[in-house]
Amino acid sequence: DAGVIQSPRHEVTEMGQEVTLRCKPISGHDYLFWYRQTMMRGLELLIYFNNNVPIDDSGMPEDRFSAKMPNASFSTLKIQPSEPRDSAVYFCASMTSGEETQYFGPGTRLLVL
Amino acid sequence: RKEVEQDPGPFNVPEGATVAFNCTYSNSASQSFFWYRQDCRKEPKLLMSVYSSGNEDGRFTAQLNRASQYISLLIRDSKLSDSATYLCVVNINTPLVFGKGTRLSVIA
Repeated sequence: DAGVIQSPRHEVTEMGQEVTLRCKPISGHDYLFWYRQTMMRGLELLIYFNNNVPIDDSGMPEDRFSAKMPNASFSTLKIQPSEPRDSAVYFCASMTSGEETQYFGPGTRLLVL
Repeated sequence: RKEVEQDPGPFNVPEGATVAFNCTYSNSASQSFFWYRQDCRKEPKLLMSVYSSGNEDGRFTAQLNRASQYISLLIRDSKLSDSATYLCVVNINTPLVFGKGTRLSVIA
């Protein structure tokens, strides 16, 4: 079975550019989570969805960040405009109701120059 | 105070050694507890859940002390392949809260 799929795996961009990260959760999972990981701050929850509805976006750092989940099999995290401090690994994870195990995608390594 | 605190390490131990990691959490309403493992440049993966009575999975033993809000992971007979970062994780009403992790290097 395919796990959580993320694209791109690596992204290098210049400050001010728009960045879009994509995630396909495991089929049948009704929770989707976006995390950011840095050495300094560890793994931080940005936003999560349940049945495609955003439940908690309090972790989104600022208005430059937005996330959507138009259907059960696809989500995007957008940064516009990007800044060097956004450089991090962004993970998407999914989970099914009634269980507590989150399954992570391989992550997107973002470098903003 | 951070919600989940861990000693960042690194712990450098020889093969065959026993090593223990500790973790404390601040929210007494925390419902469930886990250890995740993250290899270098990879995603976190569930290692094991942590139950109040303590639980064991092969060389790994996890303990929970709710009164002290303390979680531990013991690894016996360390292998080179155990080298990774171990993340202490707490569930407070669905979103998991991750510690920053403890890095372990097992040396030949």
